Amino acid sequence: KQEVTQIPAALSVPEGENLVLNCSFTDSAIYNLQWFRQDPGKGLTSLLLIQSSQREQTSGRLNASLDKSSGRSTLYIAASQPGDSATYLCAVGGGADGLTFGKGTHLIIQP
Amino acid sequence: GAVVSQHPSWVICKSGTSVKIECRSLDFQATTMFWYRQFPKQSLMLMATSNEGSKATYEQGVEKDKFLINHASLTLSTLTVTSAHPEDSSFYICSAPRDRSSGMDYGYTFGSGTRLTVV
Repeated sequence: KQEVTQIPAALSVPEGENLVLNCSFTDSAIYNLQWFRQDPGKGLTSLLLIQSSQREQTSGRLNASLDKSSGRSTLYIAASQPGDSATYLCAVGGGADGLTFGKGTHLIIQP
Repeated sequence: GAVVSQHPSWVICKSGTSVKIECRSLDFQATTMFWYRQFPKQSLMLMATSNEGSKATYEQGVEKDKFLINHASLTLSTLTVTSAHPEDSSFYICSAPRDRSSGMDYGYTFGSGTRLTVV
């Protein structure tokens, strides 16, 4: 059974810092890995999708990497802003199956 | 593109009543819909998978008679929580795979979620 772990569970940093969120998964047989953002009481916003054949994806200040063989992904956020405060979820899966989510990293960016 | 509209966004109901949650794909055909729930400070957990025109498949530990899923059309899937109890209070969210007609997997699009409170 796939298990997804996210470290750290919570993170609070001053505005402007670069930061890294980590995600690990136990079964490397995945179709893709997706990073989401969830604001309190809200649904999910897809940030980046990495196909299993890809190594990384970038969107603006966000960069996500995937090392499928070691079962790891990182989400890099450059020049953090208070508006980045949210819970960041990593999920793996794809194909005909649903996604397996980690518990998320609760991020607070201090103004 | 690939928008899933979920309603209601929140609902409060009395214990013992039933609640229906709808998810509509607005600009694409969703042959598959995944239903998740999220308890406070927990991760999203897959409850069931519905496919248009066939019975839903439920994850282990999810009562199919309590959580009725209907996927009668390519644009609508519904989840009905029957005889709801306070322990069913949770955040329910649906998700559909994005277009895979080209053979690529473009991930999933999610509804905005429904917060159910049973009193």
